[in-house]
Order: sequence, then structure tokens, then C-alpha cells
Amino acid sequence: AQTIHQWPVAEIKAVGSPLSLGCTIKGKSSPNLYWYWQATGGTLQQLFYSITVGQVESVVQLNLSASRPKDDQFILSTEKLLLSHSGFYLCAWSLDWSNTGQLYFGEGSKLTVL
Amino acid sequence: GDSVTQMQGQVTLSEDDFLFINCTYSTTWYPTLFWYVQYPGEGPQLLLKVTTANNKGISRGFEATYDKGTTSFHLQKASVQESDSAVYYCVLGGANTGKLTFGDGTVLTVKP
Repeated sequence: AQTIHQWPVAEIKAVGSPLSLGCTIKGKSSPNLYWYWQATGGTLQQLFYSITVGQVESVVQLNLSASRPKDDQFILSTEKLLLSHSGFYLCAWSLDWSNTGQLYFGEGSKLTVL
Repeated sequence: GDSVTQMQGQVTLSEDDFLFINCTYSTTWYPTLFWYVQYPGEGPQLLLKVTTANNKGISRGFEATYDKGTTSFHLQKASVQESDSAVYYCVLGGANTGKLTFGDGTVLTVKP
């Protein structure tokens, strides 16, 4: 069975500090990977997607970056946090590349920027 | 671009009440439509999926139907339970690479 694990579960960070959030998928080779952001009480917005190691595409510009250093790992980061970065970050994977496929989300990482 | 509009932001029901949540969508592609459900502190999970080949989906007592003519997509359940309390998202799968468009969500609260 496939599992998706996100870390950390929650972070409280200062404005201007760096951030790194991670996501690991086990039990599925070459998954399509996604990062989503959810403001408190808001809807989900796709940030990045990756279909293969080393390749990441940005969907929206939020002063964040993403990398896929390994087939099963997806990293979201920034060197300088903004207050607007607060929210819930969700990693997801899918089996196929068409949008008829299902997304499997992780448990999320809650970020509070003060 | 693709868009999804959910009509109800909040719905409060009592157990055994009938649930109906509607949304409308706009896309230039032949869509696949989803309902995702999110429980507090968790990531969303797929509840139902409907494609243009079959305009109805059923899962866990929920039924989703879409109308291509009116570009509307709704979710219903005959008798809700307190455990159904969650946020329900109408989601549009479009033509672009891996991009799903989420609606704003409907917060369902079911009182015992």
C-alpha cells in the first residue's frame, strides 16, 4: 500500500526566516507529485507539480520554490518567509497524468508565520 | 481559465436530514468532476468522481450528478449523520497538466 508522509506537522516561524517542508511517498514508483496551499478557512491552491525527478513546474508565484531530489521526495522551501505564507501545506500524489485521476493527499503541515 | 463556484459556504443540518450541495463550473475542456471531503486536521480525500462518460457517481451513501447542459454538479445524500460533518469541495479536472481547480468549499455541520 502507498503511504504519504509530510513533515513537520506544524511550524511556527518568524518573518524573514527560511522554511523547508518535506513529503515522502512510499509504495509507488515515479508518482506525480503536487504541492497545495490552503489559507485558514480557504480553498486549496496548487503551487507546484512534478512528474519526474529533478523537474518541477510552478503554477503560482508565492515566493516559494520546490524541488524533487529523489523519486519519492518533494521539498517546498523559501529563504525568507512572509506573513502571507501562513496556512496549511498539502503534498499529494497521483497515479496518472491526466486529470481524470485521483489525488492522494498527505496529512498536511501547518505553518504559522509571526 | 477553468473555474468552479460552490453556492453554499455553510450548511447546517440535523441527523437524517437530506443534503444537497450544488456547484457550477466553467471549462473549455471535457471535464472530470470530483467531490473531495476534508475532515479537520486532515488532507482532502476523494469522495466521488464523475466523468463525461457516466454523469453520476455513488459512494458511501453520497450521490453526485452533473448536468453538461447547465454545467452544474451537485452532491446529495438522503440521510446525513453527525460523522458527515466536514468540508466538501467541488473540484474540476481540466485539460492542463495535473491541475485541479477546487471550489471554495462547503462547511457541513450535522447536529445530533
